[in-house]
Amino acid sequence: GQSLEQPSEVTAVEGAIVQINCTYQTSGFYGLSWYQQHDGGAPTFLSYNALDGLEETGRFSSFLSRSDSYGYLLLQELQMKDSASYFCAVRGGSNYQLIWGAGTKLIIKP
Amino acid sequence: GAVVSQHPSRVICKSGTSVKIECRSLDFQATTMFWYRQFPKQSLMLMATSNEGSKATYEQGVEKDKFLINHASLTLSTLTVTSAHPEDSSFYICSAFSGRAGENIQYFGAGTRLSVL
Repeated sequence: GQSLEQPSEVTAVEGAIVQINCTYQTSGFYGLSWYQQHDGGAPTFLSYNALDGLEETGRFSSFLSRSDSYGYLLLQELQMKDSASYFCAVRGGSNYQLIWGAGTKLIIKP
Repeated sequence: GAVVSQHPSRVICKSGTSVKIECRSLDFQATTMFWYRQFPKQSLMLMATSNEGSKATYEQGVEKDKFLINHASLTLSTLTVTSAHPEDSSFYICSAFSGRAGENIQYFGAGTRLSVL
């Protein structure tokens, strides 16, 4: 089967750093994406890793290790507006579709 | 950047009526669009893959006669929820993969919140 595992909830303090892990087991792999979704809104794209290593985009970084079927999203200098659900998704399968994790709810405390 | 437009954003309808949701890619051609459904506090569930000029590919358990998908052009896909019932109330989101060289981003519409009374 195909599955992605990520923690259901993470709590952090404003200004801190938080890492959200994602492990995957899929048939076919073209890349690992991260999306942010605020309550009531649609997902918005954060990052995409097709190759091993770290991709940095401002306060957000994403890492991929294909040999370990593992990746993470790193959020630095946390702000209250970063409170949202974060989904990892693997582009794979027979249809080149996105296979989604269950999402991690990030709770940020002042 | 690439934008996907979804309309309407919210629908309230009576049980038994049909509801059409439109999804447009605004500045790129989308040969493939995806329709998702999301229940509160849950992940996105892929319902079907819409292919321009051909029949949609439905995921297991999704009734194709209930959720009609039409992808008549490279920029427009529609999802029609036929004879909607309260259990169809959900958040429906469309998405399109731009497919541009070097870009692997799937863009999402703003979603449609359907409430069936």
